[in-house]
Amino acid sequence: EAAVTQSPRNKVAVTGGKVTLSCNQTNNHNNMYWYRQDTGHGLRLIHYSYGAGSTEKGDIPDGYKASRPSQENFSLILELATPSQTSVYFCASGDAGTTAEQFFGPGTRLTVL
Amino acid sequence: AQSVTQPDARVTVSEGASLQLRCKYSYFGTPYLFWYVQYPRQGLQLLLKYYPGDPVVQGVNGFEAEFSKSNSSFHLRKASVHWSDWAVYFCAVNNYAQGLTFGLGTRVSVFP
Repeated sequence: EAAVTQSPRNKVAVTGGKVTLSCNQTNNHNNMYWYRQDTGHGLRLIHYSYGAGSTEKGDIPDGYKASRPSQENFSLILELATPSQTSVYFCASGDAGTTAEQFFGPGTRLTVL
Repeated sequence: AQSVTQPDARVTVSEGASLQLRCKYSYFGTPYLFWYVQYPRQGLQLLLKYYPGDPVVQGVNGFEAEFSKSNSSFHLRKASVHWSDWAVYFCAVNNYAQGLTFGLGTRVSVFP
């Protein structure tokens, strides 16, 4: 069954440490997205990708890097984690073109102490 | 730039009663619009989507939504709410190159 999976589902990190959040999709979609969800802010786009090797900045990219090594995988990297990055992170995939529908993973809850 | 406003942060409804969640959008041109639902501790699931055509679209679990270009709205409705509809509902509009722009969500609580 086509799906978007994320790992880990929960993560506790220390301030200044490096955190990598992984996303895998079996939808064969070209586009992938990373969002964070915070109370009062809804979902905000961090980075997105149009395909393997491509990464683009979203609305709130500061403090985050992204990597798209293959069609299926899209990672979000926090080189120096800070407590303000404590959040729930969602990955999504979608077709290229104008239909814009996105399919979401279950989320990763990150706590930075 | 495109935007989505969901004016009601929280809605409380009795089981069996009707439900309407409001969504206003701002978009230059003809939008594609979506309603997603998020159950506790889960990701977002698509309820329904509007592509240019019939303004009333049917979704899963008895939900429907009506697009109005004149009012820039895409309100979600359900005739009879079930306890399992307790969730957060997000309206979204397509965002050209960047996919989707979401509203802040409406938290729906269902009581017997």
